[in-house]
Amino acid sequence: DSGVTQTPKHLITATGQRVTLRCSPRSGDLSVYWYQQSLDQGLQFLIQYYNGEERAKGNILERFSAQQFPDLHSELNLSSLELGDSALYFCASSPTRQGGGYTFGSGTRLTVV
Amino acid sequence: DQQVKQNSPSLSVQEGRISILNCDYTNSMFDYFLWYKKYPAEGPTFLISISSIKDKNEDGRFTVFLNKSAKHLSLHIVPSQPGDSAVYFCAARTFSAGGTSYGKLTFGQGTILTVHP
Repeated sequence: DSGVTQTPKHLITATGQRVTLRCSPRSGDLSVYWYQQSLDQGLQFLIQYYNGEERAKGNILERFSAQQFPDLHSELNLSSLELGDSALYFCASSPTRQGGGYTFGSGTRLTVV
Repeated sequence: DQQVKQNSPSLSVQEGRISILNCDYTNSMFDYFLWYKKYPAEGPTFLISISSIKDKNEDGRFTVFLNKSAKHLSLHIVPSQPGDSAVYFCAARTFSAGGTSYGKLTFGQGTILTVHP
């Protein structure tokens, strides 16, 4: 157990639907990062939050949004889902803004049918 | 624009021999480099890192080498063990003082390492 909790572990949904992925960071970590791993792809950075504020944005589609709550858990919202959104979504946390060695959760596998 | 590249999708070595995983990068602003290891159905786990001001960092069987002029880093595993079989990701950090890129890691596509008994 890395200390970073992601739920659900698996999600199957239809095209056009909306889903929410949840992440609880390791205790004491203020930064949360979201990454997407598609088939045969590396980990693509989506977005970073630090203590509730958005800090950096990567290749995140407009259909996707995220937030970090006062208790530091984060949610990634994916809407108008397409088949190509099927991927592993990882959350990671780190203790400082500077990051360094992240701690990753075990991921949420999203399948869009 | 793939700023971090791992050009070998897979590597197969014999138990006891050396495994060398390679990574190239293009962004001169990267200040910290890391290797992560990933087993199926698990998230990546941190393995070893190196600051851009160093050229070598060693931790047990794992050594990372950084060649800044060539923008190349490598991970050496000696001796390789069957339990090392996993996907290895190279990652690089851009630290931007006063900017918005704190802690963001850019990952390569990964190399599947298979260590045969």
